[in-house]
Amino acid sequence: QKEVEQNSGPLSVPEGAIASLNCTYSDRGSQSFFWYRQYSGKSPELIMFIYSNGDKEDGRFTAQLNKASQYVSLLIRDSQPSDSATYLCAVFGGSQGNLIFGKGTKLSVKP
Amino acid sequence: DAGVIQSPRHEVTEMGQEVTLRCKPISGHNSLFWYRQTMMRGLELLIYFNNNVPIDDSGMPEDRFSAKMPNASFSTLKIQPSEPRDSAVYFCASSFRAVGYEQYFGPGTRLTVT
Repeated sequence: QKEVEQNSGPLSVPEGAIASLNCTYSDRGSQSFFWYRQYSGKSPELIMFIYSNGDKEDGRFTAQLNKASQYVSLLIRDSQPSDSATYLCAVFGGSQGNLIFGKGTKLSVKP
Repeated sequence: DAGVIQSPRHEVTEMGQEVTLRCKPISGHNSLFWYRQTMMRGLELLIYFNNNVPIDDSGMPEDRFSAKMPNASFSTLKIQPSEPRDSAVYFCASSFRAVGYEQYFGPGTRLTVT
């Protein structure tokens, strides 16, 4: 059973701080990695994707991928209360033919 | 541009009834995915289509579930007969490339089976 693991949280950070969300995956052959944000009662919204080792930055968001350690993370700089949501990590590739989602980490940014 | 459209947004039905969920993918997207989300199991892929052809239905829980995609702009997920354990939020997502690429989700259908 291929797995994507995330700490369920809640992760609580003060406004303006850096929030660090982590995800590990079991299939070493995985090829592409995604971060989705899901507000309560809403659908998942794609915020970042990364295919290669290293960092990828988009505004306040940075995705980091380390395939050797089978680890992908999402950093949110200058966290805002509006960033409070559940963040889902999703992984594709390897032996499975579809996208596997983690159960998500709930982030709470306190004013 | 319109995103993925799903209907109905909410559905309440009695056990044993047939339920049909509908999805219109983003225009130009050639892959469509049906997911189910519950607190216990998280987000699970039920089935996906590429160019209207079902590619992987291994996530469909049992024969009570069926999905069709008669053309590039419409798909249905049917549950017959429905059971209380089918209560969940059902999402449709689409992608303009294959399954390993970015997927965009619709607003979801919240299904309650009593």
